Amino acid sequence: QVQLQESGPGLVKPSETLSLTCTVSGGSISSYYWSWIRQPPGKGLEWIGFIYKSGITNYNPSLKSRVTISLDTSKNQLSLKLSSVTAADTAVYYCARDGRTFAVWGQGTLVTVSS
Amino acid sequence: EIVLTQSPGTLSLSPGERATLSCRASQSVTSNLAWYQQRPGQAPRFLIYGASSRATGIPDRFSGSGSGTDFTLTISRLETEDFAVYYCQQYGTSPFTFGPGTKVDIK
Repeated sequence: QVQLQESGPGLVKPSETLSLTCTVSGGSISSYYWSWIRQPPGKGLEWIGFIYKSGITNYNPSLKSRVTISLDTSKNQLSLKLSSVTAADTAVYYCARDGRTFAVWGQGTLVTVSS
Repeated sequence: EIVLTQSPGTLSLSPGERATLSCRASQSVTSNLAWYQQRPGQAPRFLIYGASSRATGIPDRFSGSGSGTDFTLTISRLETEDFAVYYCQQYGTSPFTFGPGTKVDIK
């Protein structure tokens, strides 16, 4: 049973870069597509993008200029970097297995953008 | 991008009743439509894919139907744990998008 766990700073200053890691256990990160999805407090879900082991990525155009998703197969981890953050990027960030539908989710981590 | 609209915004029902949730897409997604359940403080749970196929471990009281632009999630007999927010999601065209959600609460 694949399990996902997000980690990273809970507070990021405006204009800085948000960096999160998702550790995958119970399965190989090389076997699936992996995605990041976020949810502002009290609001709906927004797909950020996905990555596959070959390095294929697909990002939401609304965030594409600021987003980088990468894999570290040696650590069985995926990461998310979001640059030039503003208060609008405050959200719970989830990693999820698969690229188009999301069968397995991490518990999520709240990132607040504030000075 | 494809916009998904869900109705109603809130559905107030009693345990044992039938719930019918709607999702409409701004353009055809064929059958590339999924449903998720989110309980307070939890991550979403994958319920339905391909508009009508139940994900692993999902009880058969959950069923999905539709194709093209109009979709329905039906919960045949509500149980206490089913009171939650439900999101539809299209994966026919990138960027993949979610609807705003329907909250099913206890009447």
